[in-house]
Amino acid sequence: GAVVSQHPSRVICKSGTSVKIECRSLDFQATTMFWYRQFPKQSLMLMATSNEGSKATYEQGVEKDKFLINHASLTLSTLTVTSAHPEDSSFYICSAYIIEPSLGPDTQYFGPGTRLTVL
Amino acid sequence: AQSVTQLDSQVPVFEEAPVELRCNYSSSVSVYLFWYVQYPNQGLQLLLKYLSGSTLVESINGFEAEFNKSQTSFHLRKPSVHISDTAEYFCAVSVDNQGGKLIFGQGTELSVKP
Repeated sequence: GAVVSQHPSRVICKSGTSVKIECRSLDFQATTMFWYRQFPKQSLMLMATSNEGSKATYEQGVEKDKFLINHASLTLSTLTVTSAHPEDSSFYICSAYIIEPSLGPDTQYFGPGTRLTVL
Repeated sequence: AQSVTQLDSQVPVFEEAPVELRCNYSSSVSVYLFWYVQYPNQGLQLLLKYLSGSTLVESINGFEAEFNKSQTSFHLRKPSVHISDTAEYFCAVSVDNQGGKLIFGQGTELSVKP
């Protein structure tokens, strides 16, 4: 099946610094990538939808200036957490959405996640 | 708007016992339905999906789910669980006109004990 990678898998940073997380689709081109965050023992919360070459669409309540998303190509999207604070500590997961008739109309492939800890 | 409710936050079972993880959804339009599994500190893996056709869908590792339109349910079942099935399970829905957005349920933690 399709593979999506995330880098780094874990990051620990000091409060006030910025952290960039990469999401790559390794063997296919994704028209859209999604970014989720997940708190312990909770479900995934969609943060934003990222389309190649256009501005990301953020969900209500997500600060676009804090969570910068860049979708530079059909295989790479990045999420930058700017001026991170302890409350930003979370598990961030990306997914790549592929429109492939043989796979079905709504197929998302998820990355392994990035554990961010802000001290 | 769509919503997904997973009725059980935790389901403890003994190995080789049957299990059912419940999922109900709410939507005014047709939906696609998914079950994902998440192992600790990992991303989500697609377990099975219902898009159309037969209402009973199966995964390669013995799980199955049945789409019940009248009850707006998509419960996940396995007749005999293994220790390795211990994980978090998420039910999700999507609709055609939302560009692939998935709406997730709260998750059910399946704990299989020896």
